[in-house]
Amino acid sequence: GESVGLHLPTLSVQEGDNSIINCAYSNSASDYFIWYKQESGKGPQFIIDIRSNMDKRQGQRVTVLLNKTVKHLSLQIAATQPGDSAVYFCAEIPKGYSSASKIIFGSGTRLSIRP
Amino acid sequence: NAGVMQNPRHLVRRRGQEARLRCSPMKGHSHVYWYRQLPEEGLKFMVYLQKENIIDESGMPKERFSAEFPKEGPSILRIQQVVRGDSAAYFCASSPLGTSGVKETQYFGPGTRLLVL
Repeated sequence: GESVGLHLPTLSVQEGDNSIINCAYSNSASDYFIWYKQESGKGPQFIIDIRSNMDKRQGQRVTVLLNKTVKHLSLQIAATQPGDSAVYFCAEIPKGYSSASKIIFGSGTRLSIRP
Repeated sequence: NAGVMQNPRHLVRRRGQEARLRCSPMKGHSHVYWYRQLPEEGLKFMVYLQKENIIDESGMPKERFSAEFPKEGPSILRIQQVVRGDSAAYFCASSPLGTSGVKETQYFGPGTRLLVL
């Protein structure tokens, strides 16, 4: 069945260091992947997305890497700041769905920042 | 441009009562989605609606749950005869009408936390 899972439920990082959050997905038919950030008491916030025809995409301080061979997705955050503390979800939209369709979320990784 | 709005933010109901959750999408967005999130878990898709139409309700429980997105007004997620297991955070998201083959980003509201006593 479809599932998106994460290797580590929690990650503690020193402020200023880089953070790497990993995600494994099982649905090889997915063609669109998204990272969301969810702060306590708030809804998920879009961070960055990547399509299956790409292996890397960069945003402001964030980079997403996609390895389709091993069905692995990662989010890299450069120079981690206290405001980056949140739960991060990887998510996918399976291939074949229309332009607007349901998102399948993973279980999340909690990122905490040490001062 | 205001974001996705949900109300109430917190809702307490006793077992057997009805819960009505409201969602106003972002201006110009014609697609609405509802998700449920249990503590320490990811969001689970429930239903996807366009104005006056349910497009995909594959994640919606067969009984007690219903959703609508009328021509005028917010989208409503209705839970009848609530049970303790319905306690969760319910998030609404919206997206614009995309062109064919383009996956439009979904923008989430702040959620409604439902507690069933």
